[in-house]
Amino acid sequence: NAGVTQTPKFQVLKTGQSMTLQCAQDMNHNSMYWYRQDPGMGLRLIYYSASEGTTDKGEVPNGYNVSRLNKREFSLRLESAAPSQTSVYFCASSEKGNRENTEAFFGQGTRLTVV
Amino acid sequence: GNSVTQMEGPVTLSEEAFLTINCTYTATGYPSLFWYVQYPGEGLQLLLKATKADDKGSNKGFEATYRKETTSFHLEKGSVQVSDSAVYFCALKGSNDYKLSFGAGTTVTVRA
Repeated sequence: NAGVTQTPKFQVLKTGQSMTLQCAQDMNHNSMYWYRQDPGMGLRLIYYSASEGTTDKGEVPNGYNVSRLNKREFSLRLESAAPSQTSVYFCASSEKGNRENTEAFFGQGTRLTVV
Repeated sequence: GNSVTQMEGPVTLSEEAFLTINCTYTATGYPSLFWYVQYPGEGLQLLLKATKADDKGSNKGFEATYRKETTSFHLEKGSVQVSDSAVYFCALKGSNDYKLSFGAGTTVTVRA
């Protein structure tokens, strides 16, 4: 079972470059999420999509955009990368978003370095 | 808003020692509480969860009890193994929320 698949696993960007992180899930989940993980700060939510066709900002959306391409796929775009965006990015999905206490399933992460 | 505070560590233990990681939360209503584990180089996996007060979640020898009176969800294991070395995250999901709020994570290293 693939679960949540993220690509790429590693990426180095120069300041000002753009890139898109891809995420796909095969569990037929409605909700998908993008988090970033920084030392001492846990995971912070960048954007989420409660269901296909909707997206909403999380705690730290500045500098990012997202696209919920279809039910399976949720991409994260950095239009002009900055060193402050150096982080590990995790995509996650869950079966239901609201009023349900279900677990989130995570991808293996993308380690991004902006130089 | 919702927030989670957990012991940051790092924590270093010998094999077969007792492990406890403190987690307290702030939330309105009746959130669900989770412990996730992240092994080196991997994503997060759900370790255990509790969805209402006094529930006890358990898995792989780990336990945590949802204490509404103290707004806590402390993680415990009676006898750790080297394979338990990982980062542990406490998290909550509010009753009207789509998203999880995470603590800062606690790095646990178990020595043989």
